[in-house]
Amino acid sequence: GESVGLHLPTLSVQEGDNSIINCAYSNSASDYFIWYKQESGKGPQFIIDIRSNMDKRQGQRVTVLLNKTVKHLSLQIAATQPGDSAVYFCAELENAGNMLTFGGGTRLMVKP
Amino acid sequence: DSGVTQTPKHLITATGQRVTLRCSPRSGDLSVYWYQQSLDQGLQFLIQYYNGEERAKGNILERFSAQQFPDLHSELNLSSLELGDSALYFCASSVAPGAITFGSGTRLTVV
Repeated sequence: GESVGLHLPTLSVQEGDNSIINCAYSNSASDYFIWYKQESGKGPQFIIDIRSNMDKRQGQRVTVLLNKTVKHLSLQIAATQPGDSAVYFCAELENAGNMLTFGGGTRLMVKP
Repeated sequence: DSGVTQTPKHLITATGQRVTLRCSPRSGDLSVYWYQQSLDQGLQFLIQYYNGEERAKGNILERFSAQQFPDLHSELNLSSLELGDSALYFCASSVAPGAITFGSGTRLTVV
């Protein structure tokens, strides 16, 4: 199953660098995707979403890219800051589905 | 504040006991979801309710049960607790299928 804590994949970046967090999904019927950020001791927070009729969507310092051909989703964070340190989860919703399916999560550590 | 309220924030109890976790969804949200997050696992979906009715069931143990009341608040009941039930339990809500909003969780420690 998925894992958090010691078993989470970890990405370590220098403050000010750009971060790219990747997520592979398996359900070709998924047509809505979300990235969540979970800071230590808190609940996951919505960051950005994208529908399958798009391949890129930008927010403030964040960009989500969707490649439906290879079923891959990525989250890019520009000029990464210490406050970006958290666990990031991707989630997918199947077309006409009722419920999000979450990926296992990636821990982002920002070095000052 | 996400608008989803969970109580209590922390709970310490002994093995074999029963506890009830409470969740109030965001105003206007009809769906409530319960997730479990352990140290060695990600977000494990437990159960979903929509307007008082069970809508979907995930990896929820038979020792666990939930309900959603007419005022839309929900309770998750955990009984015959075991050490392995120690985890963060999150409630989330939504108005429609799609993005869900999480509460800040209840940290359950079984000793």
